[in-house]
Amino acid sequence: EAGVTQFPSHSVIEKGQTVTLRCDPISGHDNLYWYRRVMGKEIKFLLHFVKESKQDESGMPNNRFLAERTGGTYSTLKVQPAELEDSGVYFCASSTRGNTEAFFGQGTRLTVV
Amino acid sequence: SQQGEEDPQALSIQEGENATMNCSYKTSINNLQWYRQNSGRGLVHLILIRSNEREKHSGRLRVTLDTSKKSSSLLITASRAADTASYFCAISGNTPLVFGKGTRLSVIA
Repeated sequence: EAGVTQFPSHSVIEKGQTVTLRCDPISGHDNLYWYRRVMGKEIKFLLHFVKESKQDESGMPNNRFLAERTGGTYSTLKVQPAELEDSGVYFCASSTRGNTEAFFGQGTRLTVV
Repeated sequence: SQQGEEDPQALSIQEGENATMNCSYKTSINNLQWYRQNSGRGLVHLILIRSNEREKHSGRLRVTLDTSKKSSSLLITASRAADTASYFCAISGNTPLVFGKGTRLSVIA
């Protein structure tokens, strides 16, 4: 069974550009989470989907970040326009309903120059 | 804040030695999990310990949980160079996983 997959694995963009990150959760997992780790700092929660609904988006840093999960399958996280401080590793995780053991993807390393 | 906090922030040991990392938190939890992140790579789930458990083993890993002190420890025995990574505790209460800042472990061959 495939695990959580994220695309791309690495993205380098210029400040002001737009980037879209994608996460494919494990099939059948209702819960999908986005996290971010800025260099050397803690892993911070961004938001949580239950199927296609945003359960908790309290961690989204500002309105330059937009997450969607159409149809309750894969999710995208768009950053528009990107700023230098957005650089970091973006992790996606999924879990079954009622199960807090989350499975993480390999992450997308975003570098904004 | 529910955030777990690892201690120490950085640890450097010789191959073959044991490494102990600690995690403290502030609120009640359902379970506590430890993760590893190798440089530039994804998070790997190591072990989960539930709030009603006190100790758990998995291979060379031993995790303890003391809910009265709101703390957990991760022991890696007979460390190897490949254990070099950042280790995070993550607590789960009524909200999604909350991670600490991590302990950076360096195992020197």
